[in-house]
Amino acid sequence: DAGITQSPRYKITETGRQVTLMCHQTWSHSYMFWYRQDLGHGLRLIYYSAAADITDKGEVPDGYVVSRSKTENFPLTLESATRSQTSVYFCASSESALEAFFGQGTRLTVV
Amino acid sequence: AQSVTQLGSHVSVSEGALVLLRCNYSSSVPPYLFWYVQYPNQGLQLLLKYTTGATLVKGINGFEAEFKKSETSFHLTKPSAHMSDAAEYFCADLLSSGSARQLTFGSGTQLTVLP
Repeated sequence: DAGITQSPRYKITETGRQVTLMCHQTWSHSYMFWYRQDLGHGLRLIYYSAAADITDKGEVPDGYVVSRSKTENFPLTLESATRSQTSVYFCASSESALEAFFGQGTRLTVV
Repeated sequence: AQSVTQLGSHVSVSEGALVLLRCNYSSSVPPYLFWYVQYPNQGLQLLLKYTTGATLVKGINGFEAEFKKSETSFHLTKPSAHMSDAAEYFCADLLSSGSARQLTFGSGTQLTVLP
């Protein structure tokens, strides 16, 4: 199916564990983004990528790692999860960044 | 750093009444501005965008927004609210420099439509 998909939709993990959130888009968009959504903060940019093998930090990158070896995939890894990383994570893609297309989100709970 | 401020985290209107959601931006350069809508348990969907040209922008579902440079505002309006408009709305500003692209979002406004 065409579009942008995130997996898993829901994840519970323990403090200190490594967890990877997956994002896949079928449009071959150049830009991909990871945001976290927290009550009262709106969406905050974690990392973005302008093309394969090009990534850059956003507003809140600490504790996260990204990679982009293929244009269509942009996984987000929490190296050692903390409770403060409990959030809803959204992946987005865009060709020009004048319209970003968002995935359905991953609700992550760190216990 | 650029920022986007949405006045009012919750707005309630009656069905059929005017919807007005407020957004102010701080960018010192000509901004690209957006309104997104988020329905429960879903991602964000673009409602409308302002890039250049006409300052009154029309979007989907009967929404429109007006860019006012003198007021650094980009308020979202709809003449007559419908129950299906109940959602969270986000204003955003795009920072574009070289290959960098960063959408900065406001904190969101939850719209409730009362019967």
